[in-house]
Amino acid sequence: DQQVKQNSPSLSVQEGRISILNCDYTNSMFDYFLWYKKYPAEGPTFLISISSIKDKNEDGRFTVFLNKSAKHLSLHIVPSQPGDSAVYFCAASAPLNFGNEKLTFGTGTRLTIIP
Amino acid sequence: GAVVSQHPSWVICKSGTSVKIECRSLDFQATTMFWYRQFPKQSLMLMATSNEGSKATYEQGVEKDKFLINHASLTLSTLTVTSAHPEDSSFYICSARVLAGTDTQYFGPGTRLTVL
Repeated sequence: DQQVKQNSPSLSVQEGRISILNCDYTNSMFDYFLWYKKYPAEGPTFLISISSIKDKNEDGRFTVFLNKSAKHLSLHIVPSQPGDSAVYFCAASAPLNFGNEKLTFGTGTRLTIIP
Repeated sequence: GAVVSQHPSWVICKSGTSVKIECRSLDFQATTMFWYRQFPKQSLMLMATSNEGSKATYEQGVEKDKFLINHASLTLSTLTVTSAHPEDSSFYICSARVLAGTDTQYFGPGTRLTVL
């Protein structure tokens, strides 16, 4: 049962334009969401996160939007740069036990920025 | 941000041998570390949660006798793949949580294991 879904396995965007990566979840207990960027043969790099008490969090070129009613979040990258080409994973956690929260990852979206 | 290292970055071994992978938090103490496995073109799959000074908590379907986890200190967790077989070939990634009760995890660079 895939609780976190990224329905687009790949996305191509022109350099300078906006990249929008989407993520849907089914577990209503999730209350914290994160986006990670991953290059081949490397570990994921934390990008940005958002708590369920917010609907938007911004950090430089990266903005994450959360729509709790739709159980949907998105990552906006603007302007897109060639170095943004990577696989992006969204992840979610639920407050199961204090100190024992674990992340559930989506399947990833491969973003390619076209120069 | 917090830095997590893994050693080795890649390893090739013969079937039936055991391989140890180290995960270290370099500039912080991590009471909890996580071990993930990633198959090609698939998502990260949590294998186990490693708590310093206690037994690891394994996810359903992960053989604890095959994937031995030791979290002996606040900066080091090890994963030992015992009696490795070709199907164990994968990319193993560890992560560490900086503060208990927070959800942000910082990942190591990963270890590519190839079992011949």
